[in-house]
Amino acid sequence: AQSVTQLGSHVSVSEGALVLLRCNYSSSVPPYLFWYVQYPNQGLQLLLKYTTGATLVKGINGFEAEFKKSETSFHLTKPSAHMSDAAEYFCAVSDHTGGFKTIFGAGTRLFVKA
Amino acid sequence: NAGVTQTPKFQVLKTGQSMTLQCAQDMNHEYMSWYRQDPGMGLRLIHYSVGAGITDQGEVPNGYNVSRSTTEDFPLRLLSAAPSQTSVYFCASSYSWMTNEKLFFGSGTQLSVL
Repeated sequence: AQSVTQLGSHVSVSEGALVLLRCNYSSSVPPYLFWYVQYPNQGLQLLLKYTTGATLVKGINGFEAEFKKSETSFHLTKPSAHMSDAAEYFCAVSDHTGGFKTIFGAGTRLFVKA
Repeated sequence: NAGVTQTPKFQVLKTGQSMTLQCAQDMNHEYMSWYRQDPGMGLRLIHYSVGAGITDQGEVPNGYNVSRSTTEDFPLRLLSAAPSQTSVYFCASSYSWMTNEKLFFGSGTQLSVL
């Protein structure tokens, strides 16, 4: 069965600094990978997704993620943090093994300091 | 376009009471699902449906029932509420059951069981 591990429940960066949120996955077949963002008191919305093809995926709001099969990782980055990036970020994996399921990590809360 | 609509937004129950969380989508999506969100545990899949009349269990199905009689609606039933079911519940849908599709989320239902 697929699973997702997000390293670090909380990450704090200064405004303008690099954002790096880590995600490792487990899947017995080539997976589909996603990053979602949740702003306070809202549902989740998609930042970006990897299906097949190019391993560097660009998303909304300047975020990007790189799929590294050898490391089973899909880390999320943004070169320069903005105050509006403060939110909770979820990595997710899906494949067809064991049913049609998207499985989420525990989430990483990003704090941005002025 | 309403997207995914969840009702109610807030609910307080006593142990042993039953209730139904409503979810409706107006995007003609095949796939619908229910997640619960708990601190430090991310989102966990309760049940999902790949079309009208077809449902299956997710990661944490115990204590919850679902049915899907129409494409638009996917209610979640708690037959005998327990304090362990205190959580925020999200309904999500996607265009098809293909797991490379992104999920559209409702705004959530905050449930407290006393």
